[in-house]
Amino acid sequence: DAKTTQPPSMDCAEGRAANLPCNHSTISGNEYVYWYRQIHSQGPQYIIHGLKNNETNEMASLIITEDRKSSTLILPHATLRDTAVYYCIVRVRGGSQGNLIFGKGTKLSVKP
Amino acid sequence: DVKVTQSSRYLVKRTGEKVFLECVQDMDHENMFWYRQDPGLGLRLIYFSYDVKMKEKGDIPEGYSVSREKKERFSLILESASTNQTSMYLCASTSSPLAGVAGELFFGEGSRLTVL
Repeated sequence: DAKTTQPPSMDCAEGRAANLPCNHSTISGNEYVYWYRQIHSQGPQYIIHGLKNNETNEMASLIITEDRKSSTLILPHATLRDTAVYYCIVRVRGGSQGNLIFGKGTKLSVKP
Repeated sequence: DVKVTQSSRYLVKRTGEKVFLECVQDMDHENMFWYRQDPGLGLRLIYFSYDVKMKEKGDIPEGYSVSREKKERFSLILESASTNQTSMYLCASTSSPLAGVAGELFFGEGSRLTVL
């Protein structure tokens, strides 16, 4: 199963872009990269996912390298409410449908 | 608004008690999951179900069982609670994937269980 590696913590100034890296060097060809976040005392929240191409939605952008071994989640204008733990996940191959394995994530602190 | 509802936000139980954690989703999703979350360990998958009456073990099924009698409801059972099962328990659901792609996971608010 593909694993992900993320830095344990990052800081970002309010209003600046937050760039959260993720390494998934063992990703397989049909595995997608998903990003979730968890604000304190709440359940995780879906942000974005992608396979090969860069993706953008109202919350964030996802940049995937050409070799697909790493990706970056970009929050273009971070706010204090973006302070959360961010999880990068690769869908497990061979598991049952929808089996997503969460790692330890990156704790993002947005500071005024 | 789509919703995954967990029956209790906070529970306190004694060692040896039987504990039921209930989860209901209103999105007609086929797949449902139970995770536990502990500091420093992230989310770990306990059990999941991809259809009524179907279940599969996740990474840490020991000490737990599950029940999926109806599509919208997925229950986690601790037959005999122990102190090392003190944790935050999270339920999630997702639609049936197409072409091997898992859909977006929707999570409940979590149930914080303390076993004394």
